[in-house]
Amino acid sequence: KNEVEQSPQNLTAQEGEFITINCSYSVGISALHWLQQHPGGGIVSLFMLSSGKKKHGRLIATINIQEKHSSLHITASHPRDSAVYICAVSRNDMRFGAGTRLTVKP
Amino acid sequence: DAGITQSPRYKITETGRQVTLMCHQTWSHSYMFWYRQDLGHGLRLIYYSAAADITDKGEVPDGYVVSRSKTENFPLTLESATRSQTSVYFCASREGWASGSADTQYFGPGTRLTVL
Repeated sequence: KNEVEQSPQNLTAQEGEFITINCSYSVGISALHWLQQHPGGGIVSLFMLSSGKKKHGRLIATINIQEKHSSLHITASHPRDSAVYICAVSRNDMRFGAGTRLTVKP
Repeated sequence: DAGITQSPRYKITETGRQVTLMCHQTWSHSYMFWYRQDLGHGLRLIYYSAAADITDKGEVPDGYVVSRSKTENFPLTLESATRSQTSVYFCASREGWASGSADTQYFGPGTRLTVL
């Protein structure tokens, strides 16, 4: 079983919909990261959090340390949000989930 | 250019050849990493370096060699490439990694390597 599990693997939404991507992990961590990988392949860091909630524009990330669970929410989704979203956890190294491929249709 | 760069961006080679992938960062970050990304596996750590002349194995180090003679460079060498090393390789860097804290990790654009 992977240390970092994401769901769903694939997600298709209509423009404007509220989107949630989930991440569960099974190990102790110092922080959890949400990354975005665009079709061109580049990876950018969206959030790094160790507790609570962070918001950046239409993106919201939450983490529940006791339940070892994090969610990434996208409000008012747009086609330009189409990408692979990757959850990763920091310990002595960094372990990654397999990613969630999001497609937002106009 | 500021940031983290990788070269080449695309490489095709043959089984048994030696290949070196370059990674350069301009921030003087202490930590640098090499990952490979394959369908069905996500990103996996190959090697990392905590500082110049300090390197350590990650999750999938077999068949790879790294060095870090200068803080800004972290080359990855495939000494004798195999088809199973066909992958997309990402270099990354971060400023630090103190116990109990973590810093944002910055990724290079990736190198797509095909081994025929």
